[in-house]
Amino acid sequence: DIVMTQTPLSLSVTPGQPASISCKSSQSLLHSDGKTYLYWYLQKPGQPPQLLIYEVSNRFSGVPDRFSGSGSGTDFTLKISRVEAEDVGVYYCMQSIQLPRTFGGGTKVEIK
Amino acid sequence: QVQLQESGPGLVKPSQTLSLTCTVSGGSISSGSYYWSWIRQPAGKGLEWIGRIYTSGSTNYNPSLKSRVTISVDTSKNQFSLKLSSVTAADTAVYYCARSTTHRFDPWGQGTLVTVSS
Repeated sequence: DIVMTQTPLSLSVTPGQPASISCKSSQSLLHSDGKTYLYWYLQKPGQPPQLLIYEVSNRFSGVPDRFSGSGSGTDFTLKISRVEAEDVGVYYCMQSIQLPRTFGGGTKVEIK
Repeated sequence: QVQLQESGPGLVKPSQTLSLTCTVSGGSISSGSYYWSWIRQPAGKGLEWIGRIYTSGSTNYNPSLKSRVTISVDTSKNQFSLKLSSVTAADTAVYYCARSTTHRFDPWGQGTLVTVSS
């Protein structure tokens, strides 16, 4: 299985300040079709996860442009340019280049 | 807009079989090239992919659970189901169903808590 490792485990951020989450995979997520299958989900308190970013850097429908994803191969980053109160929750990265699908352990973001 | 809703017993005894159903509304489970997946999350922990079924009925399971898992689809009811046999306390979790393309999960159901306890 591909192991997904996220850091940090938690972040406490002042509203309006940036935040950054790292995700590393144990194998390259670059497919032979040229796409890199790395996804970011946000699980708000009491809710199911919701898709934020697909294929490293593409914002899903309705996701604010303060969220951005970057990276390649095995190293990826999710950035929030200016954290808002509604951004609290646990962020997960996920790989879908290989079965079984595997998720990172999560990064909890809270507001100071 | 497609919506998913999990249903089933919230309490299962050890060694018995956990059975859950996911009802799809707002669209046909047979239309489009979608997989229908199950994912679980133990309390306070991360997400574990259980498996998926394609509209054709073909399935893929997580090897860690494969010997105990069966996912099936009932197109006449617009539902798909999860059966997990020989459960233990380690199977206590919130179970989510989700629609997926080949690669991404969206949307998800709200989740249902299943507790394994005597």
